Amino acid sequence: RKEVEQDPGPFNVPEGATVAFNCTYSNSASQSFFWYRQDCRKEPKLLMSVYSSGNEDGRFTAQLNRASQYISLLIRDSKLSDSATYLCVVPSGGSYIPTFGRGTSLIVHP
Amino acid sequence: NAGVTQTPKFRVLKTGQSMTLLCAQDMNHEYMYWYRQDPGMGLRLIHYSVGEGTTAKGEVPDGYNVSRLKKQNFLLGLESAAPSQTSVYFCASSRGPFGLAGERGEQYFGPGTRLTVT
Repeated sequence: RKEVEQDPGPFNVPEGATVAFNCTYSNSASQSFFWYRQDCRKEPKLLMSVYSSGNEDGRFTAQLNRASQYISLLIRDSKLSDSATYLCVVPSGGSYIPTFGRGTSLIVHP
Repeated sequence: NAGVTQTPKFRVLKTGQSMTLLCAQDMNHEYMYWYRQDPGMGLRLIHYSVGEGTTAKGEVPDGYNVSRLKKQNFLLGLESAAPSQTSVYFCASSRGPFGLAGERGEQYFGPGTRLTVT
């Protein structure tokens, strides 16, 4: 099992829709998790961090399920500007080395 | 405050040539990282540094060397470029250890260097 796995998508949704992605991880010792957003041909930027059960920031909610070892990202009321690739990042092994998932592509259309 | 900068932005090399990519940050961050990003592969860690004068191998270190002589700079070297090193290279820095509970593990990324090896 890869350390961090994501469905590459693309997820194609209309404006206003609610969409959710999952990210599974293999290191059960991980304590913190991150979602980054990457626009086409740009650098990744932090979207949300998750240290306990979940985190909410406006239209975005990240939740952690330790028993099943996955984190999810929920986007409500999707905007055209939400179109991007969403990267899940987890510290690997017993260290604080970042391991990125391959990303999930979201396309929001009018 | 420029954040993280990378030079050059684009480069084309011939097989066997060498080059150095420069990453600079003005945020006084201790930790710095070099990644490569290939289509469908996500970001993979090449090397990283936990402070001035230190370096460590990441997931894909072969064919690359790094140096951190000054806290604000992290250099990535390719001694003998190969076509397999064609990629987009991102540098990042962070204030503290990535992912430490209670500590923001935010990595600030540079804009990337697009390298083609022919």
